[in-house]
Amino acid sequence: DAGVIQSPRHEVTEMGQEVTLRCKPISGHNSLFWYRQTMMRGLELLIYFNNNVPIDDSGMPEDRFSAKMPNASFSTLKIQPSEPRDSAVYFCASRGMGEKLFFGSGTQLSVL
Amino acid sequence: DAKTTQPTSMDCAEGRAANLPCNHSTISGNEYVYWYRQIHSQGPQYIIHGLKNNETNEMASLIITEDRKSSTLILPHATLRDTAVYYCIVRVENGQNFVFGPGTRLSVLP
Repeated sequence: DAGVIQSPRHEVTEMGQEVTLRCKPISGHNSLFWYRQTMMRGLELLIYFNNNVPIDDSGMPEDRFSAKMPNASFSTLKIQPSEPRDSAVYFCASRGMGEKLFFGSGTQLSVL
Repeated sequence: DAKTTQPTSMDCAEGRAANLPCNHSTISGNEYVYWYRQIHSQGPQYIIHGLKNNETNEMASLIITEDRKSSTLILPHATLRDTAVYYCIVRVENGQNFVFGPGTRLSVLP
């Protein structure tokens, strides 16, 4: 298995632009998590899905952030409009029936 | 999920055992202790987890005190590649949340 696949690997955009981050979980995994990591705040859980349904989005910072999981093999995290304070590394992770959480390589987002 | 407390940073000599402590004094009876690590610029990686018995796998050993209020992750022969941030997490098995604290930054020195 190729593991959790995230794209793009790096994203540089200007303030006010829409940003879409993509994630393909490991096949057969039924839980998917989006995290954000910054030096100041560490690794923060934004939202997680179970069987494609959002379970807890209390970590989503504000209405500019939205996440979808239209099917078991794909999820997106969208920021519209983006702001410089959104600059961070965004990780996607998935989990199957076991207890291990598998992370992708992350998307390094820079909002200028 | 119970809160954990870990030292901010630790050093360890290459080839020696690295012992990383974690306090979780408010842990509940059905909560497990999990360890993950994050090597620079990569996503976190699962290491080991346990309930009350000591656990060992190919990566590390997990020692949980009898009262379960603290635990220690042991890397028996640390290498330079073990330099990473190590996270201790306490949660209910099959619970949904994985909440990461600041972790311990382990530096393995040559």
